[in-house]
Amino acid sequence: ELKVEQNPLFLSMQEGKNYTIYCNYSTTSDRLYWYRQDPGKSLESLFVLLSNGAVKQEGRLMASLDTKARLSTLHITAAVHDLSATYFCAVDGSGTYKYIFGTGTRLKVLA
Amino acid sequence: DAGVIQSPRHEVTEMGQEVTLRCKPISGHNSLFWYRQTMMRGLELLIYFNNNVPIDDSGMPEDRFSAKMPNASFSTLKIQPSEPRDSAVYFCASSFSTKETQYFGPGTRLLVL
Repeated sequence: ELKVEQNPLFLSMQEGKNYTIYCNYSTTSDRLYWYRQDPGKSLESLFVLLSNGAVKQEGRLMASLDTKARLSTLHITAAVHDLSATYFCAVDGSGTYKYIFGTGTRLKVLA
Repeated sequence: DAGVIQSPRHEVTEMGQEVTLRCKPISGHNSLFWYRQTMMRGLELLIYFNNNVPIDDSGMPEDRFSAKMPNASFSTLKIQPSEPRDSAVYFCASSFSTKETQYFGPGTRLLVL
């Protein structure tokens, strides 16, 4: 059974600081996705990572994928308040359509 | 594009009542997913349609839940009878194909009293 774990679950950080969110998954997967969810809102797609070593960047967020380690990271550079949200990774099992979502990391950036 | 459209956005009902949630996927998408989000269980996939055909409903919690997709532009999720433990946010998502990024609707926040 495919399992996806994120850590930390909660993250409170100061503006201007850097931090990394980790996403581990238990079995082979074709793709890994990162989503953002603001309180009371829907999920917004951030990145899709397709292969080992893939790196995607958008603004202060950079995501990477290591399929051998079954690990993806979401790195936040010089955090700003607007990045406060819950971040989810999702993995689809090899040969399936199903997303298995991680538990989410609730990020709060303090001014 | 308007994105995935869901209605109603909020629903408050009493235990035992029938609830129908509606979803219009993004035009051209042939895969549609229904999810439920709660604090305790996170995001759970309930059912998945491909080309209007239900492919996997193993996530549907029990027989009180049913879903249909009569055409490419409309799907419903019905709960009958509803129970307080059904209270959650229900999301509909669609994608071009099963292996493409899923785009989520705004969700329906359901409260069963």
